[in-house]
Formats: sequence, structure tokens, C-alpha cells
Amino acid sequence: DVVMTQSPLSLSVTLGQPASISCRSSQSLVYSDGITYLNWFQQRPGQSPRRLVYQVSKRDSGVPDRFSGSGSGTDFTLKISRVEAEDVGVYFCMQGTHWPGTFGQGTKVEMK
Amino acid sequence: QVQLQESGPGLVKPSQTLSLTCTVSGGSISSDTYYWSWIRQHPTRGLEWIGYIYYSGSTSGSTFYNPSLKSRVTISIDTSKNQFSLNLRSVTAADTAVYYCVRDLSTWGQGTLVTVSS
Repeated sequence: DVVMTQSPLSLSVTLGQPASISCRSSQSLVYSDGITYLNWFQQRPGQSPRRLVYQVSKRDSGVPDRFSGSGSGTDFTLKISRVEAEDVGVYFCMQGTHWPGTFGQGTKVEMK
Repeated sequence: QVQLQESGPGLVKPSQTLSLTCTVSGGSISSDTYYWSWIRQHPTRGLEWIGYIYYSGSTSGSTFYNPSLKSRVTISIDTSKNQFSLNLRSVTAADTAVYYCVRDLSTWGQGTLVTVSS
């Protein structure tokens, strides 16, 4: 299985400041169709995961534009331009290129 | 807006079969081409994609199972009830987790905790 490694595993952020989470895969996530199936999820306390970003950089409907995804090949990043209180939770990267799809271990974001 | 709701026993004995159903509301399970998944979240091992069924409306659906669970898993769809189901056989304590039903990775149920214990 493809191993997804996130860093940091914990992030303490200041309201209004930027935050960044890194995700690295053990092999390239470029599929034979040329698309990179890399997703980012947010899981707020007590809630189900919610997808924020798919195909590296496409935001899901209703996701604030302060969230942005970037990267290619095996290295990817989720950035929050200005952290808000509602952004507290755990963030996961997930690859859907190679079956079975696999998740990172999660990055816990909390407010300072 | 489509909503998913898991249902089933919260406690299963070791060696028995874990059976969960996902009821789809706000849309037909057979109306378009989606993949309907089961994903579980272990207390310590994180998120694991169990498998999915890909339903195109004209066939009974194609299933894809995580190789680590393939020998024990069956996912099926019942269009007449607008539901899809998970059967996981010969469970052990390692199968204790929150189980989610998911559509296309973009729509998730609220999750249901299943504990395997005697």
C-alpha cells in the first residue's frame, strides 16, 4: 500500500495567522490518465471527515477560499491563509490513485 | 442534498459477522454513477478504506475490496430500498472502529461505532 506521511502531526496556530500541512507519498500519485488523486479532509471534533480539496488543488463546494492545496508527484501541501477558530480539528491527506486508497495519520490543529 | 445514515449493531461478538446498512436519502442510489464506500476509523490506526461498490445503474455493481480485508468483506447494494450494506466476517477486537458509509469521498454518514467484544 502507498504510505502517506504527514507533518507536523500537531500544529498550534494563532487566530488570523497562516498554517501549512505537508503530506508525502511513498510513490507518485499521478494516475495513468494524468490526474493526481490527492485529497485533503478536515475532521472537526465529534464530526465525520469532510473533504476540502480533491485532485490536489480543487476545492469542494462550500469550502472557504482560505484553504488551498498544492503539490505534485509525491509532495503536497494544504495551506490555510488565515486560521479561524472553526478550523480546529484533524486534517488528513488521502491518495486515491493506487488501490486501496490510503490516508495520512492526521495533523491535529489547535489554537494557541 | 444527499444524506447517508449508517445502522446496525453497536456490539458484535468475536468470530461473528459485522453487518451494517447505509440508507441514502435525498437522492436515488441508482440515479447516477457513484461509488459507494465503507471506510472505518480505528481508535489508534487511523482511517482505512474497506471497499466500495461502483454502480452504473445498468448493472448490479462492481465491487473493490481492500486486499487486507478481501477474504472477509462483502459490499452489496439494494436499489429497491435505496441502501447499501457491509458484511465483515470473522471479526476480532481489531475490527473495533467507527464505520462510515461514504459517497464519492465527498458525502459521509455520521458514522457508527462498532465494538467487537464477548
